[in-house]
This record gives sequence, C-alpha cells and structure tokens, in this order.
Amino acid sequence: QKEVEQNSGPLSVPEGAIASLNCTYSDRGSQSFFWYRQYSGKSPELIMSIYSNGDKEDGRFTAQLNKASQYVSLLIRDSQPSDSATYLCAPHTGFQKLVFGTGTRLLVSP
Amino acid sequence: EAGVAQSPRYKIIEKRQSVAFWCNPISGHATLYWYQQILGQGPKLLIQFQNNGVVDDSQLPKDRFSAERLKGVDSTLKIQPAKLEDSAVYLCASSLGSGDRYEQYFGPGTRLTVT
Repeated sequence: QKEVEQNSGPLSVPEGAIASLNCTYSDRGSQSFFWYRQYSGKSPELIMSIYSNGDKEDGRFTAQLNKASQYVSLLIRDSQPSDSATYLCAPHTGFQKLVFGTGTRLLVSP
Repeated sequence: EAGVAQSPRYKIIEKRQSVAFWCNPISGHATLYWYQQILGQGPKLLIQFQNNGVVDDSQLPKDRFSAERLKGVDSTLKIQPAKLEDSAVYLCASSLGSGDRYEQYFGPGTRLTVT
C-alpha cells in the first residue's frame, strides 16, 4: 500500500464549479497535513495546512480532515482556469518530514 | 522575506559526468531538504538536514550522490557519475525545524537532463 494515494486525474471541471480533490494516507500517526499546488514547470507552492479534524477554510479553498478514516480533501470553490495545476497532498510523518502523493491534475475549462 | 534560492536552474550533462546544485534556505530555517521529482511523480526526499547534521539520507543513492550543509546554512548536492535515470528536477526546501510547525517552502528547482 502506498503511503499517500491520490487519483492522478485529470479532474476536469467547468469554470465556476467546485473541484474536489481527495487523498488517503497510511500512517495513522500523521497529525498534520499539507496541500501544495504545482503549476507545470514550477515548484510546489504551499496553499493549505490542516492540523485538526474537520474543515479549514481559506478564501476559495477548504481543507477537510478525517483522521479516523485517514482521509484528507481539498475543495476549491468557484474554480478558475488559473487553478489548473497539479495538487499534491503531503502528510507529516514525523521528524519534520513530509511524504508526498503523486498529485491530482486539475483542469478548469473556461 | 526572501524565499529559497537554488542554482543553476537548468543543467544538461552527459552520463558519467558530475554535477553540483546549490541551495540557500529561507533565513532562520534550521531544516533543509533535497528532493528529486521525476515527471509525473511527487517529490521524493533524498536527504534532510537539521542545521548542519543529517537527519535522514535513507533514500540517497550514496554510491553516486553526496550532499553537505556546512555551517548550517546553504547546501550543495552532488551527483558523480550521473546516469540517465538521474534526469529529474531537484528541489530544495526549508522549514523552521522547531515547534509544531512543519510547513516546507520550496525553491524554484534545478532541472537536470542527462544525455
């Protein structure tokens, strides 16, 4: 079983819709979770962090965490073409270390 | 606040040659990471430093890769000799390395092509 699993996509949504990106992880000890956005040819950019069960909202982004189910998700409301990128899920696994999924490619069409 | 700096941005070498990458982390960040990212995959940790000590180098191919972080600030990653499968983007990241804040911030990366 992979440490972090994400659907590689592409996930295609029309402009203005809600994009839902999902991630499952295997390390039950993970307490902190991070979402990174990576545009083609660029490096990963931190967009959200979540530490507690439940929802955390930041602008158009909402991160959702369910530790019992070992599941974390990212919702993007009012999706824009500029949101088209690969989104990487990264649980903290101890010793200041993150493990990255392969990412979900999101395509937002005008 | 200046971000993580890396150089060079691009490098093309022939197999069996050597190459070195440089990274300067965000000021005050104690932890520095080198990742390898192959196209279509997530970043894979090669080595992690806390100040100038190695925390984890379990995935570093030590027969050909080496890294150092002298004085606990900037760092270099070297490949000698390079193989075709080393073609990837090499990312440097840094984090505060203390407390319960684990956010990592990435530099722009170095795209290595081995021919």
